[in-house]
Amino acid sequence: AQSVSQHNHHVILSEAASLELGCNYSYGGTVNLFWYVQYPGQHLQLLLKYFSGDPLVKGIKGFEAEFIKSKFSFNLRKPSVQWSDTAEYFCAVVNQAGTALIFGKGTTLSVSS
Amino acid sequence: GEEVAQTPKHLVRGEGQKAKLYCAPIKGHSYVFWYQQVLKNEFKFLISFQNENVFDETGMPKERFSAKCLPNSPCSLEIQATKLEDSAVYFCASSRARVKSSGNTIYFGEGSWLTVV
Repeated sequence: AQSVSQHNHHVILSEAASLELGCNYSYGGTVNLFWYVQYPGQHLQLLLKYFSGDPLVKGIKGFEAEFIKSKFSFNLRKPSVQWSDTAEYFCAVVNQAGTALIFGKGTTLSVSS
Repeated sequence: GEEVAQTPKHLVRGEGQKAKLYCAPIKGHSYVFWYQQVLKNEFKFLISFQNENVFDETGMPKERFSAKCLPNSPCSLEIQATKLEDSAVYFCASSRARVKSSGNTIYFGEGSWLTVV
């Protein structure tokens, strides 16, 4: 079965620092990948997604992610974080059957001002 | 605006009682998904529907959990004889098309917080 690994459980940064959150998936075929964010007390919101084409995907709020097939990775990046980026970040992949998203365990990002 | 509506927001049940959660997908969305999030950890997939038909139920516990999506009614997730370990936030999501469709987005509701005491 597919799985998603997020290496960083909790990341603490100061404002203006650069961010990179790791995500690796297990499935070796055609993949569809997502990053979602969950702000405190809120529901999941889509940051960006990759289906095909340019492996560098740009999303909302200045986030981007790079799909590297050879590394089975889809890391999330942001050049300069803000206090308002404090949230939980979840990487997800469409399962092999194409019937659901499989999520990683999430990374908590804390940004201090 | 577009919103997946989940009710109730909070539900407290004693062990052994029944819990029933509801989800109204966004109008025009044919696919509905249920996820369980325990202690702010990963989202565990439970079940998905295509209209009123079960699409994938591989994540549903074999006992005590059931779900339905009937025409002209909110979808529901029911837990019979709740256990302490069922305490979690249950998220519903909906989408217009299959998850593999490149233009498709899955929208999540705000969740229903179930506490079993």
